[in-house]
Amino acid sequence: KAGVTQTPRYLIKTRGQQVTLSCSPISGHRSVSWYQQTPGQGLQFLFEYFSETQRNKGNFPGRFSGRQFSNSRSEMNVSTLELGDSALYLCASSPMGPSYEQYFGPGTRLTVT
Amino acid sequence: GQQVMQIPQYQHVQEGEDFTTYCNSSTTLSNIQWYKQRPGGHPVFLIQLVKSGEVKKQKRLTFQFGEAKKNSSLHITATQTTDVGTYFCAGGSSASKIIFGSGTRLSIRP
Repeated sequence: KAGVTQTPRYLIKTRGQQVTLSCSPISGHRSVSWYQQTPGQGLQFLFEYFSETQRNKGNFPGRFSGRQFSNSRSEMNVSTLELGDSALYLCASSPMGPSYEQYFGPGTRLTVT
Repeated sequence: GQQVMQIPQYQHVQEGEDFTTYCNSSTTLSNIQWYKQRPGGHPVFLIQLVKSGEVKKQKRLTFQFGEAKKNSSLHITATQTTDVGTYFCAGGSSASKIIFGSGTRLSIRP
């Protein structure tokens, strides 16, 4: 089985711009979760989608949004980028949800200048 | 809100020594997961514990879930250089909600 894929792997954006990140889960997995990882804050949960519905959301501002398509692929969007948004963004797929075994993708390294 | 604390933040050991990381939740968990992230890599699932007092072993790794389902530990016996990385616990309280601990970074002197 193919693993979780994320595109792009690296991204450099300017403050104020917006960005869209993509995640393709493992075939058959209906749950996709997004995490922000920074050296100081560890792994912070952004949101989780299951069968195209957002089931849970972390404590992030409304600039962070996501969606999931009928084929379980998910996108995450960050608008009006700030310097503090520079981080590794990881998505994880699971058959049932993040409270079960999760498989992480390689991540997208976002740098905001 | 719910918090999952993990200690220590860093551990530097001599190869062959044992290593333990501890995880404590402010609330009762439905389960706990452990992940390992190698430098430059992504978290990789190690194990999930569900039952109160559960103990599971994977070769040199021993995982425990507390009786009250609020704490957990990961113990590595006789560390090897391949054990280098950051170990995260993650506490689940519902199917869609999970909170990661801050991680313990393990480095090893050969």
